[in-house]
This record gives sequence, C-alpha cells and structure tokens, in this order.
Amino acid sequence: EDQVTQSPEALRLQEGESSSLNCSYTVSGLRGLFWYRQDPGKGPEFLFTLYSAGEEKEKERLKATLTKKESFLHITAPKPEDSATYLCAVQWDQGGGNKLTFGTGTQLKVEL
Amino acid sequence: DTEVTQTPKHLVMGMTNKKSLKCEQHMGHRAMYWYKQKAKKPPELMFVYSYEKLSINESVPSRFSPECPNSSLLNLHLHALQPEDSALYLCASSTSGAGGDTQYFGPGTRLTVL
Repeated sequence: EDQVTQSPEALRLQEGESSSLNCSYTVSGLRGLFWYRQDPGKGPEFLFTLYSAGEEKEKERLKATLTKKESFLHITAPKPEDSATYLCAVQWDQGGGNKLTFGTGTQLKVEL
Repeated sequence: DTEVTQTPKHLVMGMTNKKSLKCEQHMGHRAMYWYKQKAKKPPELMFVYSYEKLSINESVPSRFSPECPNSSLLNLHLHALQPEDSALYLCASSTSGAGGDTQYFGPGTRLTVL
C-alpha cells in the first residue's frame, strides 16, 4: 500500500493560471511532511516543511498547507520558471526515523 | 547557507572499475544520506550516517560501500557495478538525523555504467 500519493501526475498551466498540487498520505504518527522542487538532472531543492495539521507556509508564489490526511501546494499566478517536478515526502514514527518516503511527484509545465 | 556539494557531476565507468563519489557540507549537520534516483522515479534511500556512524542500510548490494570520514564528508565507493546501477546519485544532509529534520540535497552525480 502506497503511503504517499501525489496527484495529478502531470499538470499543464498557462502563465498566471493558479492551481493546486495534492499529496495524500496514509501514515500515522507524522513527524514531518516535506515539499521539494526538482529540475531535470538536478537534486531536489527544499521548499517547505510542515509538521502539524492546520500549518501553512508561503514562499513567493507558493503556499503549502497540511491537514490530517493530505497536503496541498498552491501555486498562484505561475510563471514558466515554475516548471519542474514537485515532490512530496513524509517521515513518520514507524517509517524508519529520519527516512524520507517520497511520492512519485507532479510534473508541472507552465506555458506562456 | 544550505549548500551540499557533490563530485564528480558526471561519471562513466566500466563494470570492472573502482570509483568513488564524494559529498561535502559545511552547515554543521550531523546526519548525511545517500539516495539513488532512476529516471522518472523519486529518490530511494540507500544509507544514512548519523554522527559519523552508519544508522540505516536499506539492503543495498555490497558493491556499494559508504564511508563517513568526518562530520562534513561522505563517500560512496563503487566496485563491480552493473548497468542497472546507472542513475543519479544524490547526497543529502540534515541537522541531527532526528525525525522531522529537513534534508538538504546536493546536485547529484550522474553515473553511467557501461
């Protein structure tokens, strides 16, 4: 059973067209939920860490939120440079301590 | 500064070669990680070092041998690899290795095994 599921797998947006990416998780005893951005052939770039339901964090056009079952990454007025794969990962009590378990990612493309 | 550096950027090796990947961080982090990432897949954990001691080995074949000479350096020694080991190898570090620690990734080494 997948512990972390991301949707959609791919998303194409027009510049300025806001949307949300979803990360749902089935683990209990969440220690942290992490969002990363990854460009092709490069390492994941850290975006946000969320620890408890109700928590929200913002950075430029991105806003991450967390509930007891899922997290959303909201992208407001995206630009072409926001095109990347967005990865969600979790750590939980029975998941090997500091081990990150990743979802399969959402590939975002923002067009002019 | 949240920089993790990795060398080399690219590596091509034959199945009989011995090579090493290197990772360095100067953030004072005490936990360091090796991940393997195949194309179109998420990173998969290989090893975790916490306070210079190997704390997690995700049943990785013995042809991969990690080493942590000090708290700033992490090596991955490669020997007798197979073509299916071709992948992007990522190093990461975090403050202490405790649950909830944010991991910061390096740019990766693109490994091709011929």
